Amino acid sequence: DADVTQTPRNRITKTGKRIMLECSQTKGHDRMYWYRQDPGLGLQLIYYSFDVKDINKGEISDGYSVSRQAQAKFSLSLESAIPNQTALYFCATSGQGYNEQFFGPGTRLTVL
Amino acid sequence: AQSVTQLGSHVSVSEGALVLLRCNYSSSVPPYLFWYVQYPNQGLQLLLKYTTGATLVKGINGFEAEFKKSETSFHLTKPSAHMSDAAEYFCAVRPGGNDMRFGAGTRLTVKP
Repeated sequence: DADVTQTPRNRITKTGKRIMLECSQTKGHDRMYWYRQDPGLGLQLIYYSFDVKDINKGEISDGYSVSRQAQAKFSLSLESAIPNQTALYFCATSGQGYNEQFFGPGTRLTVL
Repeated sequence: AQSVTQLGSHVSVSEGALVLLRCNYSSSVPPYLFWYVQYPNQGLQLLLKYTTGATLVKGINGFEAEFKKSETSFHLTKPSAHMSDAAEYFCAVRPGGNDMRFGAGTRLTVKP
């Protein structure tokens, strides 16, 4: 089983709809991250969390919110989706003593 | 502020040829440096990382990279390209803290 899972893997929605993307991990890591990937821009950090009570904004948090329901779960919400939020979204984790991050398979979101 | 520049959004090599993917960074503190690979429809997978110690680091699949502080570079190389190396490659920098920054990515094409 994958260590970092994301659901759904693909989602098509309409402008104005509320969308939630979910991430779960079995690695036992405290730190979790949400990124979006756009062609030619690499990955941009949306939000990150170092433990259940710690939530921090990243570079591009406007239009997004997150919830850390448990150590293993970190959800990303788009309260009112807009077309320029069409992108590939990745969840990642890292643990204390690890410098690298471990990525989920991604969610491809299309906002029409 | 720290940033990562990957020179060349697309690189094409012949099978068996040298692979060289360039990465330069700016950082106000000694950085940790990473290369990730992304295969189609997958998340990012760590190829190799530099934290401290030996400046030439070896990774998976025959890749290696050399940290050159004087040139602020961390170029990725592989002596002989294989068809399976076709993917997108991301350089990332983590300047001793918690915020990992990614380059825009380089798409590697391997011609038969």
